[in-house]
Amino acid sequence: ETGVTQTPRHLVMGMTNKKSLKCEQHLGHNAMYWYKQSAKKPLELMFVYNFKEQTENNSVPSRFSPECPNSSHLFLHLHTLQPEDSALYLCASSPEGRNTEAFFGQGTRLTVV
Amino acid sequence: GENVEQHPSTLSVQEGDSAVIKCTYSDSASNYFPWYKQELGKRPQLIIDIRSNVGEKKDQRIAVTLNKTAKHFSLHITETQPEDSAVYFCAASRGNNAGNMLTFGGGTRLMVKP
Repeated sequence: ETGVTQTPRHLVMGMTNKKSLKCEQHLGHNAMYWYKQSAKKPLELMFVYNFKEQTENNSVPSRFSPECPNSSHLFLHLHTLQPEDSALYLCASSPEGRNTEAFFGQGTRLTVV
Repeated sequence: GENVEQHPSTLSVQEGDSAVIKCTYSDSASNYFPWYKQELGKRPQLIIDIRSNVGEKKDQRIAVTLNKTAKHFSLHITETQPEDSAVYFCAASRGNNAGNMLTFGGGTRLMVKP
């Protein structure tokens, strides 16, 4: 257990639904990330938060809305998704500063129907 | 932005043989190069990393080399074992004080046959 916990582990949602993914870390890290992992595609960085402030939005569609209320929690709010958004969504955290190890959660397997 | 290419996409070796995975990157400002291992159904986990001021790093059976001039880096696994079977991802980061901006390669599925 690396200390990064994601819930739920699996989620099936319709295109008109609104749902949220949750990530929690107890490692004392100040940077948190959302990644998307699709079949046959590289891990894609979506958002970066550092000390609760968003520092990177990697051209992600507005149907994905992140929220970081504190350094330990990160949410990804989902609404009006498309079937092509089905993927494994991974949360990660790292200590403050550059070039440090990113610790990943187990991921949420999202299926949009 | 950064672009990381990884080859091969699949690699099958006999137990005990060596395995080599290669990555190239495009952004000369990248200075941190981690390798992650992802077993089936599990999270990616760091196995080794190298920073741009070092040309080679070794940890038991795994080693990583970096050629900054050519902008490529490689993972070497010696004496492979069945438990090395997994997907391996290389990544490059230009990391700043706002956190890591990891760009990942497409992954290599390594299969070690007993």
